[in-house]
Amino acid sequence: AQTVTQSQPEMSVQEAETVTLSCTYDTSESDYYLFWYKQPPSRQMILVIRQEAYKQQNATENRFSVNFQKAAKSFSLKISDSQLGDAAMYFCAIPRDGGSNYKLTFGKGTLLTVNP
Amino acid sequence: NAGVMQNPRHLVRRRGQEARLRCSPMKGHSHVYWYRQLPEEGLKFMVYLQKENIIDESGMPKERFSAEFPKEGPSILRIQQVVRGDSAAYFCASSLTGSGEQYFGPGTRLTVT
Repeated sequence: AQTVTQSQPEMSVQEAETVTLSCTYDTSESDYYLFWYKQPPSRQMILVIRQEAYKQQNATENRFSVNFQKAAKSFSLKISDSQLGDAAMYFCAIPRDGGSNYKLTFGKGTLLTVNP
Repeated sequence: NAGVMQNPRHLVRRRGQEARLRCSPMKGHSHVYWYRQLPEEGLKFMVYLQKENIIDESGMPKERFSAEFPKEGPSILRIQQVVRGDSAAYFCASSLTGSGEQYFGPGTRLTVT
């Protein structure tokens, strides 16, 4: 069974600075996707970024980037130039069965606070 | 393009009543997924449906819970004889294909009193 561990229950960052949220996972699959989702106070789940495990290059979406270390099964999210609107709960997720992208398994989340 | 719609956003039920949660996927999406989020937990997969078919219900409790996605209309997650432990946020997601990115709705917060 896949497991996802987010070891930081809470993090804080100053506005305009950079923060990194960590995620480790366990899977026996060789080809899979990994996701970071954001859940602001509205509780809507928003896809932040997606990484394909077979790709060497780390995914980037504007101020959001990942550091994907396949051998270490580590998938951290870096937020640059943090903004107040980035404050949210962040969840790392991988598919429970690597062959498909449904049955996502989520970590317990990291609550990010952005200080003005 | 409207996103995934869920209603109601909040639902209060007394123990023993039935709860019906609705989900309309994004336009063009025929794959629907239901997840449950308990307080201070990540989302947990419940069921995956395509039109008129349940593809995978391995995350559904064996009793009282059922889901459908009819040919016409929204997907329905039905919980019969609710108990306090059913209190949670229930999220629906949809995707264009079975391996595509999942887009989530705003969730339904169920409170059982």
